[in-house]
Amino acid sequence: KQEVTQIPAALSVPEGENLVLNCSFTDSAIYNLQWFRQDPGKGLTSLLLIQSSQREQTSGRLNASLDKSSGRSTLYIAASQPGDSATYLCAVSLDSNYQLIWGAGTKLIIKP
Amino acid sequence: SQTIHQWPATLVQPVGSPLSLECTVEGTSNPNLYWYRQAAGRGLQLLFYSVGIGQISSEVPQNLSASRPQDRQFILSSKKLLLSDSGFYLCAWDGAKYAEQYFGPGTRLTVT
Repeated sequence: KQEVTQIPAALSVPEGENLVLNCSFTDSAIYNLQWFRQDPGKGLTSLLLIQSSQREQTSGRLNASLDKSSGRSTLYIAASQPGDSATYLCAVSLDSNYQLIWGAGTKLIIKP
Repeated sequence: SQTIHQWPATLVQPVGSPLSLECTVEGTSNPNLYWYRQAAGRGLQLLFYSVGIGQISSEVPQNLSASRPQDRQFILSSKKLLLSDSGFYLCAWDGAKYAEQYFGPGTRLTVT
């Protein structure tokens, strides 16, 4: 059974720091991995999608990497800003059906 | 561009009352549609998904049901709400299997 874990559950850093959020999954037979952002009381915003054949994807200050063999993905945020404060979720898609398997998220607080 | 709408934004209902939440997508045709529930402090749980009109797949047995009367309309219903139905309900769509998922703003349901 596929399980997705995100560590840490919460992270607080001062503005301007570069930081890394981690996502691990137990079964390497994934089709893709997505990173999302959720602001309090809001829906989810898709940040990056990495296909299983890819190693990384970049969007602005965000860079997501994928290592299928080790069951890990990282989301790197450069030069963090208070506006980056949110909960970050990762989810993997299984090869067999439409279901996404979700991590519980990392709550990120960027202090001004 | 594509837009996804959900209503109502918030809802407070007594135990035993019926429920109807609506989700519509604009700017795309034949999307895959999804209903998720997010309980407080927990991850997302896939409730239903639909790959076409009248085609509904249920992931979790419960007192909820879903319908897709039109291509871009997805409805979540219940005949009698339970306290455990409280949560944040999110609708999502994607254009193809394994594609990037996009989420609506969500409905906060409180069952009293």
